[in-house]
Amino acid sequence: ETGVTQSPTHLIKTRGQQVTLRCSSQSGHNTVSWYQQALGQGPQFIFQYYREEENGRGNFPPRFSGLQFPNYSSELNVNALELDDSALYLCASSTGQGNNEQFFGPGTRLTVL
Amino acid sequence: DQQVKQNSPSLSVQEGRISILNCDYTNSMFDYFLWYKKYPAEGPTFLISISSIKDKNEDGRFTVFLNKSAKHLSLHIVPSQPGDSAVYFCAARAVTGANNLFFGTGTRLTVIP
Repeated sequence: ETGVTQSPTHLIKTRGQQVTLRCSSQSGHNTVSWYQQALGQGPQFIFQYYREEENGRGNFPPRFSGLQFPNYSSELNVNALELDDSALYLCASSTGQGNNEQFFGPGTRLTVL
Repeated sequence: DQQVKQNSPSLSVQEGRISILNCDYTNSMFDYFLWYKKYPAEGPTFLISISSIKDKNEDGRFTVFLNKSAKHLSLHIVPSQPGDSAVYFCAARAVTGANNLFFGTGTRLTVIP
């Protein structure tokens, strides 16, 4: 069974640029959640996708957007990058909307200069 | 507004002794609580959970206690082992809204051989 994978591992961008992060969910999982973990903080919920539809959103501006594909993999897009967007971005997959156990990938470390 | 709080950034314990990690929450709508363990360069790994209808859940060396009236939970690890050294995150899910998790800021546990 393949776990949650994320790409790239590390990324450096400059302020104002756009970035796309990718996540492959664990086999059999149809729900993907994205979290942002700033240095010294716990993960903060960005949004969740269930069967290709956005299923909830945290307190993040519209320049954070996402997609989920028919194979349940997902993308996180961030436009007009700001310095404060520098963080570890975690993807987590689970089965169904009500499942509580989420399996996390290793994350993508984004640095905005 | 931090709805899940872990007030101890770090904890050091001798091997074989008990480790107690604490977590407080403010949202009375939380109905499910989880503990995750995180090693460097890896995503958080699910450890143990507890429903709000219980006050204790045990899994091997790990026990989670929930005190709803105090809005407090704790994770006990006994006996502690050097391999338990990691950052531990407390997380909670609200009974309403998306199935997202609210995380604390984490406690770094160091088990000294």
